[in-house]
Amino acid sequence: KNQVEQSPQSLIILEGKNCTLQCNYTVSPFSNLRWYKQDTGRGPVSLTIMTFSENTKSNGRYTATLDADTKQSSLHITASQLSDSASYICVVRSNSGYALNFGKGTSLLVTP
Amino acid sequence: NAGVTQTPKFQVLKTGQSMTLQCAQDMNHNSMYWYRQDPGMGLRLIYYSASEGTTDKGEVPNGYNVSRLNKREFSLRLESAAPSQTSVYFCASSARGPITDTQYFGPGTRLTVL
Repeated sequence: KNQVEQSPQSLIILEGKNCTLQCNYTVSPFSNLRWYKQDTGRGPVSLTIMTFSENTKSNGRYTATLDADTKQSSLHITASQLSDSASYICVVRSNSGYALNFGKGTSLLVTP
Repeated sequence: NAGVTQTPKFQVLKTGQSMTLQCAQDMNHNSMYWYRQDPGMGLRLIYYSASEGTTDKGEVPNGYNVSRLNKREFSLRLESAAPSQTSVYFCASSARGPITDTQYFGPGTRLTVL
């Protein structure tokens, strides 16, 4: 079964600090990988999407990396803000089939 | 531009009752999806509609039915609710399909089945 594993499960950091979230996957054959941000009580919102040939993509203070050889991705958040407190979900799509494979998410809390 | 809207926001049902969750999008998207999100688990696809007039089962379709009423609206029906269907339900849409398209999610419906 295709799987997407995220770590850590939860993380607490001080405002202004950087952090990195990890995503390892076994989905094959690989099509693309997305990172979503989900605020409490809201639906997920897309941050980045990367295909096989892309290894870095930025969206403001969010930078995602992809190593398709080792099947790993990371999301780096720079100069964190209180509004970054949310769940961050890694989603991997296979070229086979229609469904997306969702990770369980990393819950990030940014404190003053 | 409201994006994806869902009604109701909250619902409590008794076991065996039926209800329909409504979803509408105003982005002229072709594809629409229904997901459920449970604590400690990732989002799971219930049903999707690649285009108006078509629907397909996702990962967890048992106990649910869907209707793609028109291009804008995609409803999810629970015919006989069970406690295992207690969850948060998200509707999403995308311009074409999920291959490279970003999915836009609604705010969710929080359903409790007693």
